[in-house]
Amino acid sequence: GQSLEQPSEVTAVEGAIVQINCTYQTSGFYGLSWYQQHDGGAPTFLSYNALDGLEETGRFSSFLSRSDSYGYLLLQELQMKDSASYFCAVRDRGAGANNLFFGTGTRLTVIP
Amino acid sequence: DSGVTQTPKHLITATGQRVTLRCSPRSGDLSVYWYQQSLDQGLQFLIQYYNGEERAKGNILERFSAQQFPDLHSELNLSSLELGDSALYFCASSPRTTQETQYFGPGTRLLVL
Repeated sequence: GQSLEQPSEVTAVEGAIVQINCTYQTSGFYGLSWYQQHDGGAPTFLSYNALDGLEETGRFSSFLSRSDSYGYLLLQELQMKDSASYFCAVRDRGAGANNLFFGTGTRLTVIP
Repeated sequence: DSGVTQTPKHLITATGQRVTLRCSPRSGDLSVYWYQQSLDQGLQFLIQYYNGEERAKGNILERFSAQQFPDLHSELNLSSLELGDSALYFCASSPRTTQETQYFGPGTRLLVL
């Protein structure tokens, strides 16, 4: 089976940096994805890491350590519009190669 | 706009009834995935189709079924509905060669009364 752990809530100040951690356990790991979901909206893809290291896309970066079964999403220069839920998801070999198993999400609140 | 369309946007029905949710993937995407999201919960993978064939199955109840048609649109059928089936149902599609990136439709909000 699979399990993912991420904090349920995080609050940060506009303009600051916030890191959302994700630890996982899977039977066959392909990679770690991050999705953003605003209230009432659909999840949107942010990033994917299959190899160790940092991937940067604008203000967002994602990191993976396969040996530690750990990853994080880093959001810089926070804006009010970044208030949303952020889900990490593992692509797992165990339940079908293209199955994405999602964590329960971290609700980020950006305050002025 | 992800390019994935879902209908209807909202659905209200009674327990014991049957409903059909429809999804059209992005142009060129062969894979379609269905997810269920209950209040304040993560996304639960239900089932995946690839080019008309079932590819992977998640925690899909026996009362639920899905299919993908030759034009690649997909339908999720929910029968003998229970109150606990009230949720957001998302469809997603992925490009031919990159399965880790999934594009989600706007969802169908189902309320069972």
